[in-house]
Amino acid sequence: AAGVIQSPRHLIKEKRETATLKCYPIPRHDTVYWYQQGPGQDPQFLISFYEKMQSDKGSIPDRFSAQQFSDYHSELNMSSLELGDSALYFCASSVYGRTSGRRGANVLTFGAGSRLTVL
Amino acid sequence: GEDVEQSLFLSVREGDSSVINCTYTDSSSTYLYWYKQEPGAGLQLLTYIFSNMDMKQDQRLTVLLNKKDKHLSLRIADTQTGDSAIYFCAENSGGYNKLIFGAGTRLAVHP
Repeated sequence: AAGVIQSPRHLIKEKRETATLKCYPIPRHDTVYWYQQGPGQDPQFLISFYEKMQSDKGSIPDRFSAQQFSDYHSELNMSSLELGDSALYFCASSVYGRTSGRRGANVLTFGAGSRLTVL
Repeated sequence: GEDVEQSLFLSVREGDSSVINCTYTDSSSTYLYWYKQEPGAGLQLLTYIFSNMDMKQDQRLTVLLNKKDKHLSLRIADTQTGDSAIYFCAENSGGYNKLIFGAGTRLAVHP
C-alpha cells in the first residue's frame, strides 16, 4: 500500500539558509499535517491543510511557511534557519475531512520524516 | 506535550506484560490514540479507542480508558524485544482534529 512519502530524508544546512521539505500524502487523503520533533521531544503540531486550504495552525514560527498544491503534495519552507530548527519533520495525511460529519477516528498516517540539521 | 502526560521510561523483562500510562486534559477528545516510534523511524499507529469505550483489545494490546479520571493505559502482553520503542499517547484536538502528543514513554525490553 502506498504510504506518505517525504523528501529529502536528510538535509544539512547552515544558519540563515533556507530549506524546503516535501510531502506526498497517501492518494485520496484530503488532509495533510506537519509536525516537528526535536531531539528527545514529542512531535509538535505545526500546520495542517484540508483540500489545499490551511485548516489549522500550531506552533509554526513566522520564518516557516507551508502550502498544499493542486496535486495534494505539500511543501514546508523554512527560512533564516537557526540551530534550534534542527529536528525531525514529519508529514502525515488522513481522510478525516471526508468522514461524514467528521465522526470517527482521525487516523493520521505518518511519513518516515525528514531530518534537518542546522550547523 | 503539556496537555498529555506520560511517564518517560519503562523497563520490563521479555515475556512480561508492559503497562504504559497516560493522562490527558481535553475532555472533548473523542478518540485517543497510541503510536509507536522505533529509533530513527516515523510514527506508527498501534491502536485507538473511542472516548465512550472503557476497553479495547487487539491481539497483544489492551487499551483501558478511565474517562472520569482522563487516564489511558496501553498494556502489551508477552512483551518482546521487538516492542522496544517509544510509545506516544495522543488526543485529538480542534475542529480538524489534529493530534496532540504526550512526551512519549521509552520502553526497554531486556532478556
